Amino acid sequence: DQQVKQNSPSLSVQEGRISILNCDYTNSMFDYFLWYKKYPAEGPTFLISISSIKDKNEDGRFTVFLNKSAKHLSLHIVPSQPGDSAVYFCAASLSGTYKYIFGTGTRLKVLA
Amino acid sequence: DTAVSQTPKYLVTQMGNDKSIKCEQNLGHDTMYWYKQDSKKFLKIMFSYNNKELIINETVPNRFSPKSPDKAHLNLHINSLELGDSAVYFCASSQVDGNTIYFGEGSWLTVV
Repeated sequence: DQQVKQNSPSLSVQEGRISILNCDYTNSMFDYFLWYKKYPAEGPTFLISISSIKDKNEDGRFTVFLNKSAKHLSLHIVPSQPGDSAVYFCAASLSGTYKYIFGTGTRLKVLA
Repeated sequence: DTAVSQTPKYLVTQMGNDKSIKCEQNLGHDTMYWYKQDSKKFLKIMFSYNNKELIINETVPNRFSPKSPDKAHLNLHINSLELGDSAVYFCASSQVDGNTIYFGEGSWLTVV
């Protein structure tokens, strides 16, 4: 039973446009959410996180939105760049449990 | 200077062998993890140690034994390797609050 789902396995976006990656979760107790980016043959790299007390967190070109009632979060990348092409994982956690549940990832391709 | 480093990066071995993967972090974190990414790309937690104490042990065969000689190191020893153990194993670490985890580059294990 997958508690964190990324229903789009892949996404293609034109350079300069907005990329929107989506993530849904089932456990309403999760209170911390993270996004990671992964290039082939490398480990996941932390991108941005959000606590459940917020509904938006922004860091440069990356913004994460959290909709607790819908149990949904999204990552917006704007403007998208070819170097953003990677697999993006969302993860959810209950603070203090040290357990992070990951989605299966969305492969983003930014076309030049 | 890599924050979370693991060795070896690639490992090909025969069924029935015993192998170890080593992990070290220089972030001063108290908690370390082993994650497994299988052929379906699920990234699942296996173990977590906090200050050398085991705090998470998911349903992993007891052929897998983590060892934490100090809080900067968490090694993974696998006995009697099976074909199904072929996967990418990621080491990670976090501060004691467990809110953001940082991954190593991964160890690609192939059992033949």
